[in-house]
Amino acid sequence: DARVTQTPRHKVTEMGQEVTMRCQPILGHNTVFWYRQTMMQGLELLAYFRNRAPLDDSGMPKDRFSAEMPDATLATLKIQPSEPRDSAVYFCASGLGGLGKNAEAFFGQGTRLTVV
Amino acid sequence: RKEVEQDPGPFNVPEGATVAFNCTYSNSASQSFFWYRQDCRKEPKLLMSVYSSGNEDGRFTAQLNRASQYISLLIRDSKLSDSATYLCVVRGAQKLVFGQGTRLTINP
Repeated sequence: DARVTQTPRHKVTEMGQEVTMRCQPILGHNTVFWYRQTMMQGLELLAYFRNRAPLDDSGMPKDRFSAEMPDATLATLKIQPSEPRDSAVYFCASGLGGLGKNAEAFFGQGTRLTVV
Repeated sequence: RKEVEQDPGPFNVPEGATVAFNCTYSNSASQSFFWYRQDCRKEPKLLMSVYSSGNEDGRFTAQLNRASQYISLLIRDSKLSDSATYLCVVRGAQKLVFGQGTRLTINP
């Protein structure tokens, strides 16, 4: 089965360190989303890409977060410097970017980040 | 105001009961609607799309009311395995916006 692959699955890091999360979208999907999930806020959209171009990153703290798609098979989310409040599960999702059924997003298993 | 709002619950219902969730959205230009299911410590997964005419998938029925900007999910004859968080999802422009989720526990 085709699936979205995220690495690492778990990350514990010290405050101030750089964190890089990676995502391999499903082959053929042209839309990639990054979400952050916490108990308090639920699933928040951080950024999304269509055909590797960033369309909206307004949900992302610009001073420390950055998202890129170096190629169609890799999306990255970086936090530098990391802070304890960044602790959350970060999900990547990909989709066809169409309407109706084609608007569905398929999620990776997430990266559980803990910043101490 | 959040773009997509749901009652967070929790809903605790006995096995076999019928349970309904509601969701409202603020963007009248929204084009696609979904219910996702998320199990504890897992990723969200699509449960069903929601169509204007309403649609059914086994024990699950979804309804959309565009005039009221309201989406519902009905689960009949609930099973223990239905215990999860149910997320209302709305596609506005090109992005997917998730509600906070409604936590459901089915009790034996």
